[in-house]
This record gives sequence, C-alpha cells and structure tokens, in this order.
Amino acid sequence: GQNIDQPTEMTATEGAIVQINCTYQTSGFNGLFWYQQHAGEAPTFLSYNVLDGLEEKGRFSSFLSRSKGYSYLLLKELQMKDSASYLCAVHNAGNNRKLIWGLGTSLAVNP
Amino acid sequence: SQTIHQWPATLVQPVGSPLSLECTVEGTSNPNLYWYRQAAGRGLQLLFYSVGIGQISSEVPQNLSASRPQDRQFILSSKKLLLSDSGFYLCAWSIGGRETQYFGPGTRLLVL
Repeated sequence: GQNIDQPTEMTATEGAIVQINCTYQTSGFNGLFWYQQHAGEAPTFLSYNVLDGLEEKGRFSSFLSRSKGYSYLLLKELQMKDSASYLCAVHNAGNNRKLIWGLGTSLAVNP
Repeated sequence: SQTIHQWPATLVQPVGSPLSLECTVEGTSNPNLYWYRQAAGRGLQLLFYSVGIGQISSEVPQNLSASRPQDRQFILSSKKLLLSDSGFYLCAWSIGGRETQYFGPGTRLLVL
C-alpha cells in the first residue's frame, strides 16, 4: 500500500528550532511537498524536494532522502505565527496528477 | 499571476437539499483541477480531479458529482446532502510537470 506518516502533534518555544519528520512508502516517487495550514484556512505551499538533500528558503528548510523514504521540515527562529498544521505530500508518478497526503502535524508555538 | 476563487465561503444546508460549489481559476490555461474535502481534524480527502474540459475522475464513490463546463471552472454538486457531507471543501489547481497544487480559500459546509 501507499502510506505517509507524520507525528500528530508537536510543541516548541518561540525563537527555537523544530524539525517535523515525514516518512513515506509509495510504489513510485516524483517529488515531495510540504504545505502549511493555519486553522480554518486553506493549505499553502511551502517547499518541494525531488532530489536528495536540503532546500533552504528563509527560516524554512526541507530535506529529502529518497533511499530512506524520509523527509523533514526544519523551522528556525520560531514565531507565534508558525503555529499551524504542516502537511507532507508525495507525488507518486504512477498516480497521474494526484498527491498522496499525510494527515499533518499540528505545531503549537508557545511564548 | 494566477488566482483561484471559491464561493460561497460558508454554507449551512438542511439534509436532503442540493449543493453547488463553484471554483474558478484565473491567469492560467488548461490547469489540472481538484476537489478535496477535509473533515474536522482530519486529512485531505481527494474527491475529484480533472485534466481538461469534461474530463472528471472520481476518487470516492458517494452522492457527490463534479463537472468542468469550462477550462477554468470546476463545480462540485450533490442532489441530496447527507449529514456526513459536512466539512471544509477545497478546490486546487496545478500545471503539469511538478504538480504543485495551489488551493482556493475553501467553503465550509455544515449540513444539519
């Protein structure tokens, strides 16, 4: 089967660094996405990884290891506004235009 | 730049009533279009996707249907709503290649 696993909840302190992990098992792989979703709002695109390694974009970085079926999203200098759900999604080439979605990790940033 | 619109933003409907949610995309041609539902505290469930006018793929057999009458218009419908149809309905678009999906603001539906 096809599966994406993420921790359900995480908490962190303002100004700190947090790493949100995502492991996936899919029959094919054509890229991994991270989205941010604030409560009551639509998901917004954060990052895309298709090759192994780290992609940095401001305070957010995303890492991918295809051989391990593993990714993480790293958030630095946490701010209160980073409190949100973070969704991991995999584009399985065999799935046409569809993405396989994780259930999301709810991050609470405390002062 | 591309923008995606959904309406209405919120909707309260009685059980058994019909439904029509509309989604339009501006600033791009021939997008892939998607309808998702997100129940409270749950993940995204893909309902339908479309790669072109009149081309609809259904992911979940249920009392919902979708249509794409124009290139940048995607409509989600139901003839008779069920209580279980309550949720947050999201429309998204992508362009072939990387398949990054961009979401509309969503419609919050409550069926009573």
